[in-house]
Amino acid sequence: GESVGLHLPTLSVQEGDNSIINCAYSNSASDYFIWYKQESGKGPQFIIDIRSNMDKRQGQRVTVLLNKTVKHLSLQIAATQPGDSAVYFCAENSGGYQKVTFGTGTKLQVIP
Amino acid sequence: EAGVTQFPSHSVIEKGQTVTLRCDPISGHDNLYWYRRVMGKEIKFLLHFVKESKQDESGMPNNRFLAERTGGTYSTLKVQPAELEDSGVYFCASSQNHGNTIYFGEGSWLTVV
Repeated sequence: GESVGLHLPTLSVQEGDNSIINCAYSNSASDYFIWYKQESGKGPQFIIDIRSNMDKRQGQRVTVLLNKTVKHLSLQIAATQPGDSAVYFCAENSGGYQKVTFGTGTKLQVIP
Repeated sequence: EAGVTQFPSHSVIEKGQTVTLRCDPISGHDNLYWYRRVMGKEIKFLLHFVKESKQDESGMPNNRFLAERTGGTYSTLKVQPAELEDSGVYFCASSQNHGNTIYFGEGSWLTVV
């Protein structure tokens, strides 16, 4: 079936540097994408979303880029902080009922 | 405003026993979802309620799992009888009707021994 997946299972970044987390999706009909952050022992927390009619969207210290040609999604975190350490999931919202399909997750480790 | 709350936060049961997980969605959210993550795997969709009706239960693994949402408020997910492979974390989430942001609870961590 269609799926959403991640390239890198673990990413280590020096505090203050920028982080880039990548995600590939296979369903060319996907039209809405979300990034979630999950801290240890907690549930996924919404970070930012993007629709397929956009290729870039910015939030506070985060930017999501969407390349529909190669079906690739990325999350950029500026000036990474220790509090950014978590597992990041990209997800596709599909089915017309806001059903979310998750990728496998990337663990971000921030080195002080 | 209270977020999505789940109970219990942690549960350890023996194989063959029954466990019931409860989820209280954000007040006013018609959509309620159950997801789970078993060891080493991604978070998987189980089912979706719109108010008290099951909109999509395509992710339910087998008939040992029963979800209910009587009255369209809180929901329960019962596993009977529990098997070792059911161990994992069960997430509940909710969203407003026609809204796109889905808010997750902290999860119920289930260990079957």
